[in-house]
Amino acid sequence: DAKTTQPPSMDCAEGRAANLPCNHSTISGNEYVYWYRQIHSQGPQYIIHGLKNNETNEMASLIITEDRKSSTLILPHATLRDTAVYYCIVRVPTNTGNQFYFGTGTSLTVIP
Amino acid sequence: DVKVTQSSRYLVKRTGEKVFLECVQDMDHENMFWYRQDPGLGLRLIYFSYDVKMKEKGDIPEGYSVSREKKERFSLILESASTNQTSMYLCASSPLQGGTDTQYFGPGTRLTVL
Repeated sequence: DAKTTQPPSMDCAEGRAANLPCNHSTISGNEYVYWYRQIHSQGPQYIIHGLKNNETNEMASLIITEDRKSSTLILPHATLRDTAVYYCIVRVPTNTGNQFYFGTGTSLTVIP
Repeated sequence: DVKVTQSSRYLVKRTGEKVFLECVQDMDHENMFWYRQDPGLGLRLIYFSYDVKMKEKGDIPEGYSVSREKKERFSLILESASTNQTSMYLCASSPLQGGTDTQYFGPGTRLTVL
């Protein structure tokens, strides 16, 4: 069962904000939401994570709804280098460590 | 900066061959992971290890085994490669379980089994 669902693709104009949605309706109280991105021919790269509060760092902002069933990753001023596949991930604690459940991601294309 | 390296970027093997994929990390991380990535399926966890000589099955362990003899090295083994194991293989590492156990990924190995 998929723990996250994301739209398969999105476009965004260069310089505009890119808002990438993610549904995680079955998330449990102790499961974090992580976002990674993967630029072509590279390994995934960490962007941001959160539990229930909104988070911001130098790369992006993460908005988590109050019921935690969905979240949005915001790239405030998209550039051409932000073209990548963005993965919304639920981190599930287990007895032996945390497991990351990747979805199929959203392919974001930033258009000049 | 954390560095995770994988032994090959591209690999071509024949059906039935034994294949070793090597992964090395230089940040003294306890946890290491092997994923495979296929179009339309995203990343799927094969095996992970939380300590030397320890291993746990992920979601798709069938046809694979792993070895972790040293903390910095995690090997993925295909005992008898098959064409359905043609894929991109990604290794990752992370520090001990905690609030911010970000996974750091290597560049990937694209394996083709003929």
